Amino acid sequence: QKEVEQNSGPLSVPEGAIASLNCTYSDRVSQSFFWYRQYSGKSPELIMSIYSNGDKEDGRFTAQLNKASQYVSLLIRDSQPSDSATYLCGFSGTYKYIFGTGTRLKVLA
Amino acid sequence: GAGVSQTPSNKVTEKGKYVELRCDPISGHTALYWYRQSLGQGPEFLIYFQGTGAADDSGLPNDRFFAVRPEGSVSTLKIQRTERGDSAVYLCASSSYYGERDEQFFGPGTRLTVL
Repeated sequence: QKEVEQNSGPLSVPEGAIASLNCTYSDRVSQSFFWYRQYSGKSPELIMSIYSNGDKEDGRFTAQLNKASQYVSLLIRDSQPSDSATYLCGFSGTYKYIFGTGTRLKVLA
Repeated sequence: GAGVSQTPSNKVTEKGKYVELRCDPISGHTALYWYRQSLGQGPEFLIYFQGTGAADDSGLPNDRFFAVRPEGSVSTLKIQRTERGDSAVYLCASSSYYGERDEQFFGPGTRLTVL
């Protein structure tokens, strides 16, 4: 079983819609979870961090964490074409910082 | 303030050569990480420094890879006898590190191409 699983996509959503990105992980020791956005040819940029079960909102972004089910998700409301990028989930636990392969999001104008 | 900087931005070398990649973290950040990223993959952890010491070097693929951070600030990743499989983008990140809440900020990366 992979340590972290993300659907590689592409996930296509129309402009203004909600984009839902998901990530599952296998390390039950994991305590810290992060979402990064990576534009093509650029380095990852931190969007959200979440440490407790439940939801955390920041502007158009909401991160959701469920440690019992071992998944973390990212919702992007009112998606914009500028949100088109690869979204990486990462977590820290037994091992220092494991990243998923990323989900490519395409927001269609 | 200035972010994480990395030099060079691109490095082309021949198989068997030695290369050094430099990372200058955000001022005051005690933790520094090196990753490498291949096309279509997420960043792969290589090594983590807390201050001057390597707190975790479990991600270094073999003994051709070595990293230092002698004064707790700038770090250099050194690769000996480079192989074509070493070609990737090498990313550096730093964080102020507070327990598990080490939000990392990445530099622009160094693209290494081994011919």
